[in-house]
Amino acid sequence: SQKIEQNSEALNIQEGKTATLTCNYTNYSPAYLQWYRQDPGRGPVFLLLIRENEKEKRKERLKVTFDTTLKQSLFHITASQPADSATYLCALDRYNQGGKLIFGQGTELSVKP
Amino acid sequence: NAGVTQTPKFQVLKTGQSMTLQCAQDMNHNSMYWYRQDPGMGLRLIYYSASEGTTDKGEVPNGYNVSRLNKREFSLRLESAAPSQTSVYFCASSEDRGYSTDTQYFGPGTRLTVL
Repeated sequence: SQKIEQNSEALNIQEGKTATLTCNYTNYSPAYLQWYRQDPGRGPVFLLLIRENEKEKRKERLKVTFDTTLKQSLFHITASQPADSATYLCALDRYNQGGKLIFGQGTELSVKP
Repeated sequence: NAGVTQTPKFQVLKTGQSMTLQCAQDMNHNSMYWYRQDPGMGLRLIYYSASEGTTDKGEVPNGYNVSRLNKREFSLRLESAAPSQTSVYFCASSEDRGYSTDTQYFGPGTRLTVL
């Protein structure tokens, strides 16, 4: 069956370091991959989208990579700040199924001052 | 713009009771979605609507019904609530211009407890 997995354990890092979150998938060939941020008690907020033919995408301190051979996406936050503390969700899009997404369970990131 | 709004924010039901969760968006989006989020499970799609007047089942539709009242509003109904439906429910919308790249905009969620 199709499966998406993110780091199940919370990631704790020091302010100023780079945070790297992982999204792995199996039995699936996504056309696009999206990353969302979710703060406690709130709905997810879109951050970045990367297409299958793109290796890397950047937005300010955020960088996403997409390796269709490894079936993996990495999400990096450089120069992390306590305000980056949140849960980060990856979501895979399906071919020919409109906007229906499959979400991973999310990774909680905590950035300590 | 308010974006995506949901009511109520919190709700406690007894087993067997019914209720409707309301969702509205003011972004003129074509597609709307209902998800549930449970600890360790991620977001799971319950139902979605690609356009006004159309709805389709997602991954976990059992025990739910939906209505796309107009382009703005998409409601989720629990006819006979069960404890297994205790969850946080999110409504989302996307422009959906026919591509698969549309990002989704989420509401603040409804926290539902079924006793």
